[in-house]
Amino acid sequence: DIQMTQSPSSLSASVGDRVTITCRASQSISSYLNWYQQTPGKAPKVLIYDASSLQSGVPSRFSGSGSGTDFTLTISSLQPEDFATYYCQQTYSTPWTFGQGTKVEIK
Amino acid sequence: QVQLQESGPGLVKPSQTLSLTCTVSGGSISSGSYYWSWIRQPAGKGLEWIGRIYTSGSTNYNPSLKSRGSISIDTSKNHFSLNLTSVTAADTAVYYCATEGGNSCLDYWGQGTLVTVSS
Repeated sequence: DIQMTQSPSSLSASVGDRVTITCRASQSISSYLNWYQQTPGKAPKVLIYDASSLQSGVPSRFSGSGSGTDFTLTISSLQPEDFATYYCQQTYSTPWTFGQGTKVEIK
Repeated sequence: QVQLQESGPGLVKPSQTLSLTCTVSGGSISSGSYYWSWIRQPAGKGLEWIGRIYTSGSTNYNPSLKSRGSISIDTSKNHFSLNLTSVTAADTAVYYCATEGGNSCLDYWGQGTLVTVSS
């Protein structure tokens, strides 16, 4: 299985901050990388697919980059509704695997 | 827009079979190029992909389930199902169903259903 490792596991930030979350794959996955946002008690919601494509309806402050083994999710200006847990997921080879999550908390 | 709703027992005894159904509305389960997927999440932990079924009936499973899982599709009822045999407490989780579309991302999700394995 392909292992996905996110860093950091948690971070504290303020509204308006620029936030960057990193995801590293245990082998090259080309651009087969998705990012999800999950708030407590809710199902995950896809933000970015294919490493850098913004899902329809997702605010443009979210962006993704990377290919191969190293990927980044950036929130350009953190909003109150962005405090959540973020997961990366590889869809290069089954079984699909997720990172362990990054919890973004209010500073 | 496709909507998904999980249903099934919230409590299952150890060694028994966990059975869940995901009912699809807002579209036909047999139309379009979708995979129909199951994902689970133990309390306070991360996401685990269980497996998926294509409209043709072909399936993929996570080997971590050690062949205990099976996913089926019923086009007449517009739903798909998960069976997980020989459950233990480690199978206690919120179970989600979701669609995987052409972008290979899980784009529509059910609200999730908590299944507890306990005697």
